[in-house]
Amino acid sequence: GAGVSQTPSNKVTEKGKYVELRCDPISGHTALYWYRQSLGQGPEFLIYFQGTGAADDSGLPNDRFFAVRPEGSVSTLKIQRTERGDSAVYLCASSVGQANNEQFFGPGTRLTVL
Amino acid sequence: GEDVEQSLFLSVREGDSSVINCTYTDSSSTYLYWYKQEPGAGLQLLTYIFSNMDMKQDQRLTVLLNKKDKHLSLRIADTQTGDSAIYFCAESDNQGGKLIFGQGTELSVKP
Repeated sequence: GAGVSQTPSNKVTEKGKYVELRCDPISGHTALYWYRQSLGQGPEFLIYFQGTGAADDSGLPNDRFFAVRPEGSVSTLKIQRTERGDSAVYLCASSVGQANNEQFFGPGTRLTVL
Repeated sequence: GEDVEQSLFLSVREGDSSVINCTYTDSSSTYLYWYKQEPGAGLQLLTYIFSNMDMKQDQRLTVLLNKKDKHLSLRIADTQTGDSAIYFCAESDNQGGKLIFGQGTELSVKP
């Protein structure tokens, strides 16, 4: 079956612009996670959804970052007024739903802010 | 806060065993994980261990957990060139949702 998919695979934008990154989780997975991976680092947690609601958004770095999951499936990570420091690979993962179930990762979106 | 530390690089010869080490700080973590990341590929879960276990073996992989010292290791027996990748140790937070990753250990396997 299909795994987690993310679009676009690459996004280049200019400083100050708005971007949206999309994640399609595995069908039937109720939990969805966003992580950010900078060069040479491990993934860093951003936000976690259980169904439509954000169960934990403690990793969002500031109010320029926002994520939604209106129907409990596809999620969009939105970044306003992008900064060069936002450049990273944004990873999405999904799991069956119970805490500590395996998280399946997508290939990521590489965001470059010029 | 939670923190996970790993050494950055490891180089071994094909056929040797590799041991990748990790230390963590959150003693309430329920599960500890090892993920593999190959260039251009997504993170792949290799194995995990429940916090009340000391050891878990899965084919060529052996995970050892020393909960007292908060030390986790991954041993890969008979390491192959296809094992070259970055290996991440991760712990789940005490709520069981988010994963906290280490920086990753780059394993290089020389023929």
